Amino acid sequence: GQQVMQIPQYQHVQEGEDFTTYCNSSTTLSNIQWYKQRPGGHPVFLIQLVKSGEVKKQKRLTFQFGEAKKNSSLHITATQTTDVGTYFCAPGAGNNRKLIWGLGTSLAVNP
Amino acid sequence: EAQVTQNPRYLITVTGKKLTVTCSQNMNHEYMSWYRQDPGLGLRQIYYSMNVEVTDKGDVPEGYKVSRKEKRNFPLILESPSPNQTSLYFCASSLSRGDGNTIYFGEGSWLTVV
Repeated sequence: GQQVMQIPQYQHVQEGEDFTTYCNSSTTLSNIQWYKQRPGGHPVFLIQLVKSGEVKKQKRLTFQFGEAKKNSSLHITATQTTDVGTYFCAPGAGNNRKLIWGLGTSLAVNP
Repeated sequence: EAQVTQNPRYLITVTGKKLTVTCSQNMNHEYMSWYRQDPGLGLRQIYYSMNVEVTDKGDVPEGYKVSRKEKRNFPLILESPSPNQTSLYFCASSLSRGDGNTIYFGEGSWLTVV
């Protein structure tokens, strides 16, 4: 199945600092989705990227899909304590091939 | 409200005692699946179903069974639970299996097998 590597695995930041997590695939993806899981919660869909080089923003969150459609990033500007959680990328391989979720990046924010 | 409901949310059971975790979705989704989440291992798919009476193994199916007799329900069955099945379980559904479909997760079921 399709596999992705997500880095870093953990990130600890001071409130107000920026944060970025990366999702890298060895093969070309048809699309990629990002999910957020709060501590004790369940994964919740954030966004989907489909086009090469696509950039989407949700308030302080910026999502990017690489030109080669093999990697993606999520950048949070000026983190807040509400950003705490684990961010997962979920790749789409196309043709209904099996997805293998990234292991996620756990973000902790010091107030 | 669109939701995936799973029960029980918390369960402590003993080795070998059969249990069922129910899952129901109200979105008329074709695709449903079960995941387990363990520290350092992320989300791993146990079984999935593309439609009624169509189920298939995911990445970690050993020790589990599923059934899909109705579109809305997708129970997970542990015939003889063992301690290595202690985990957080998520039921999920999406419109279809195809790429680009948002996956909706249930709130999770914490299972401890002693």
